Amino acid sequence: DTEVTQTPKHLVMGMTNKKSLKCEQHMGHRAMYWYKQKAKKPPELMFVYSYEKLSINESVPSRFSPECPNSSLLNLHLHALQPEDSALYLCASSQDPIYYEQYFGPGTRLTVT
Amino acid sequence: ILNVEQSPQSLHVQEGDSTNFTCSFPSSNFYALHWYRWETAKSPEALFVMTLNGDEKKKGRISATLNTKEGYSYLYIKGSQPEDSATYLCASQRSGGYQKVTFGTGTKLQVIP
Repeated sequence: DTEVTQTPKHLVMGMTNKKSLKCEQHMGHRAMYWYKQKAKKPPELMFVYSYEKLSINESVPSRFSPECPNSSLLNLHLHALQPEDSALYLCASSQDPIYYEQYFGPGTRLTVT
Repeated sequence: ILNVEQSPQSLHVQEGDSTNFTCSFPSSNFYALHWYRWETAKSPEALFVMTLNGDEKKKGRISATLNTKEGYSYLYIKGSQPEDSATYLCASQRSGGYQKVTFGTGTKLQVIP
């Protein structure tokens, strides 16, 4: 199984809502990533979890809160988002954080109204 | 060079033509260079991870070369097919912050049947 799954595929939320994005992999990978991708821009790294510990936070606003309950799961909790947070959110995993290729999920298309 | 840059931004080729595009990346503190293919409505898919200067990798009709001293990589597609139509992303990993992968803006390839 070389698949990274993400749910939901699409999410529309208001600025006062709280929602969560989920990501799952069963490849035994020990590094997991959240990226944000706006139209016509490259994926932009948000967070890296390495061996279930947060190792990189790219100065992401606190309205985004990551969580790694176990080595297979990665969540992104969303609260009080702004319309400019509307984007495609991609999850990825890799065998190890050092130089292995990343396997990406299909993404969650988030719209904040 | 401080960022990861790719050229051209987009490219149209006829079926059967061979093509290539460029990724430029910071040569200082180089650790690894990744290539990904991203088809519309699908997840980005890893093509290659390259670490050594002079490295060449091949996967079917697609190959890549790496020059870490001058900070560039070429991706070649031989005999392009319509199914090669996708955005090709490169990403640089630097030592020190080696968990962080910085993506270029991509080259969008359209193969015309």
